[in-house]
Amino acid sequence: NAGVMQNPRHLVRRRGQEARLRCSPVKGHSHVYWYRQLPEEGLKFMVYLQKENIIDESGMPKERFSAEFPKEGPSILRIQQVVRGDSAAYFCASSPRVKNEQFFGPGTRLTVL
Amino acid sequence: GDSVTQMEGPVTLSEEAFLTINCTYTATGYPSLFWYVQYPGEGLQLLLKATKADDKGSNKGFEATYRKETTSFHLEKGSVQVSDSAVYFCALITPVSGGGADGLTFGKGTHLIIQP
Repeated sequence: NAGVMQNPRHLVRRRGQEARLRCSPVKGHSHVYWYRQLPEEGLKFMVYLQKENIIDESGMPKERFSAEFPKEGPSILRIQQVVRGDSAAYFCASSPRVKNEQFFGPGTRLTVL
Repeated sequence: GDSVTQMEGPVTLSEEAFLTINCTYTATGYPSLFWYVQYPGEGLQLLLKATKADDKGSNKGFEATYRKETTSFHLEKGSVQVSDSAVYFCALITPVSGGGADGLTFGKGTHLIIQP
């Protein structure tokens, strides 16, 4: 069984550009979560989605960040007009049920120049 | 809100030493507790979990017991190996009935270094 897949693994953007991070959950999992890991810090929850719905975005920055999980295709985390402070590792996780253990992808490491 | 506190690292031990990484939590209701491990350049892997008081999670020689009275979930291993070198994260999630965020709440991580 394939685990959680994320791409790209590494992404370099210049300030002001857009970053799109993709996540394919474990087959059969309909719950997707995004986390951000800043240098020297733990992971911080950003958003929780089910198919076509955002359920909890309490950890998402109010501006420039958005997420979707369409009926078909991967979940997308989109960061518009990136700034240097957005440089971090972004991890996606999926679970078969809400409030259950989560399975993590390898992460996308975003570098903003 | 929910929070997890774990000992700061790095923790440096010799091979075959006994390991303890402390973890305490504050949470609404009765959370499920987890230890995740992150190897360099990789994502997080679930190491073990416990879902109710006095449960003991175990995997690959690692153990942790859910202590409700002390709100702790300390990670232990009797004899560490060089291959155990990694960053270890303690985490919690509150149950559906307990409210709280839908994502995991993580500690800051403990970097473990095992020397041969």
